[in-house]
Amino acid sequence: GQQLNQSPQSMFIQEGEDVSMNCTSSSIFNTWLWYKQDPGEGPVLLIALYKAGELTSNGRLTAQFGITRKDSFLNISASIPSDVGIYFCAGRITSGTYKYIFGTGTRLKVLA
Amino acid sequence: DTGVSQNPRHKITKRGQNVTFRCDPISEHNRLYWYRQTLGQGPEFLTYFQNEAQLEKSRLLSDRFSAERPKGSFSTLEIQRTEQGDSAMYLCASSLLANANYGYTFGSGTRLTVV
Repeated sequence: GQQLNQSPQSMFIQEGEDVSMNCTSSSIFNTWLWYKQDPGEGPVLLIALYKAGELTSNGRLTAQFGITRKDSFLNISASIPSDVGIYFCAGRITSGTYKYIFGTGTRLKVLA
Repeated sequence: DTGVSQNPRHKITKRGQNVTFRCDPISEHNRLYWYRQTLGQGPEFLTYFQNEAQLEKSRLLSDRFSAERPKGSFSTLEIQRTEQGDSAMYLCASSLLANANYGYTFGSGTRLTVV
């Protein structure tokens, strides 16, 4: 099935550092979501974006809807050990369907 | 609100056997979705329901797969004649129709291992 490209695939960072990751698509999306998944659990919604250029924050997390509508970015400031997990972007192409296409994931490991 | 509940959490089956998974969505949610996630990949869409109507099915949902939501509440996903390639995490999610644009809530999944 179709999946979005996420970069980087994985990253190790020191506690307290800022983290950036992105998601790109060949298609234009009208909604972008960011989820976090812990091992053995389902994904949990972090942030939702609805307009090109939109910047939305949720605590230490900030996400942006790219102006081309083909990409999105997630930043985590001052990382802490519980930020460990896999971060997925998801996009919805058209109205009338609520099927989301997910990215391949960015695996984040935080070194204390 | 107990969230989306999936049972069983784990299932090991022999190749060729049939398996059935159950999903209980958040009680007032009228949309229910099934996704499949293989190791190292993101979730892939399988199908979704609005109330009891199955509105969309992925090409990933071969004729060995069938999903139902008979009364618009819980849903079942059945896989007949399982193959090793069916080994994956099967995720269920739900949303309110009016809020579906805000993403949806996933359950913890059922991990299927076909041996």
